[in-house]
Amino acid sequence: DGGITQSPKYLFRKEGQNVTLSCEQNLNHDAMYWYRQDPGQGLRLIYYSQIVNDFQKGDIAEGYSVSREKKESFPLTVTSAQKNPTAFYLCASRHSGQVFSSYNEQFFGPGTRLTVL
Amino acid sequence: DQQVKQNSPSLSVQEGRISILNCDYTNSMFDYFLWYKKYPAEGPTFLISISSIKDKNEDGRFTVFLNKSAKHLSLHIVPSQPGDSAVYFCAAWGTGRRALTFGSGTRLQVQP
Repeated sequence: DGGITQSPKYLFRKEGQNVTLSCEQNLNHDAMYWYRQDPGQGLRLIYYSQIVNDFQKGDIAEGYSVSREKKESFPLTVTSAQKNPTAFYLCASRHSGQVFSSYNEQFFGPGTRLTVL
Repeated sequence: DQQVKQNSPSLSVQEGRISILNCDYTNSMFDYFLWYKKYPAEGPTFLISISSIKDKNEDGRFTVFLNKSAKHLSLHIVPSQPGDSAVYFCAAWGTGRRALTFGSGTRLQVQP
């Protein structure tokens, strides 16, 4: 059963602590993405990766870090430098080869709700 | 600067009637548009898309219209059903295909 998994579903963190959000996909997708959603706002791009061992900053990368050591995995670390980390975080992936009919579609995981206490 | 705008944060319609959700964009380099549906505490799911070379695409109850000259697209749902109640996001691909650019979403409530 192919898809994207994110864990945990809910995460609580104390101020000043780093926390890592997991994202795994078994769709054999090359590209992976991290977005955050805040109330009344759209999805804002944090980081993206087109290929293993390569990633690029999105629109709101400050206070976040990522790694892409494996094709299947794209973990996001929310550091203590992120001023307002409480949000809903969404991971997505996509075929990057144009031969695929789903080339234009990003597939999303179920999300992780991070709350800073 | 928001490149994809959904100016109506919410919309309420009666079951069986038409729902029309609107989206405007400012970047003329966008060449592919998608609509996603999202329930609370879940990830968005793909609904329907349209290429900039077309002006209409239909899939069952869902139709997307694109007016390139006006930089406007709309999603029509006919007939609307209570299960359609969700937040709908408009999204677009531009040159370079870095990642999708999303609008702020419209919350649709279909009243039984």
